[in-house]
Amino acid sequence: QKEVEQNSGPLSVPEGAIASLNCTYSDRGSQSFFWYRQYSGKSPELIMFIYSNGDKEDGRFTAQLNKASQYVSLLIRDSQPSDSATYLCAFYNNAGNMLTFGGGTRLMVKP
Amino acid sequence: DGGITQSPKYLFRKEGQNVTLSCEQNLNHDAMYWYRQDPGQGLRLIYYSQIVNDFQKGDIAEGYSVSREKKESFPLTVTSAQKNPTAFYLCASTDSYSNQPQHFGDGTRLSIL
Repeated sequence: QKEVEQNSGPLSVPEGAIASLNCTYSDRGSQSFFWYRQYSGKSPELIMFIYSNGDKEDGRFTAQLNKASQYVSLLIRDSQPSDSATYLCAFYNNAGNMLTFGGGTRLMVKP
Repeated sequence: DGGITQSPKYLFRKEGQNVTLSCEQNLNHDAMYWYRQDPGQGLRLIYYSQIVNDFQKGDIAEGYSVSREKKESFPLTVTSAQKNPTAFYLCASTDSYSNQPQHFGDGTRLSIL
């Protein structure tokens, strides 16, 4: 079983819609979870992190964490064409010193 | 401006050659990391260092070497033993406290001639 599972996509949504990206993980000891956005040919950019169960909102982005079910999700409201990118989820190991990345989900927002 | 600087942006390696990728940060971060990304894939950890003069292997350390002689610098050498070095290499850093977000440099794209 892979440590992190993400649907590779592409996930296509119309402009203005809500994009929902999901990630499941296998390490029950993980304490911190991150979402990175990566444009083609560029390096990853941190957009959200979440440590506690529940929702965390920042502008158009909401991260949701459910440790019992071992999934973390990212919602993007009012999706814009500029949100078109690959979104990587990541989490730390139990010791908090090694970050494991999922393969990423490619999001396409169509005008 | 504070940040992480990787150089060069593009690098070409000949057969049997070792090449070194540079990573410098002025964020006063204790921990630094090297990742490799293949097309359409996520990031895989090569090496990391949490303190000067100490570093640990990640998941794919074979064929790579690192040093951490200064807090600001964490160079990665891709040796001739790495038979498939073509990839996008990313350096990251973070505070020494556990579970902190990592921030990335702009990356180095390595290809074989």
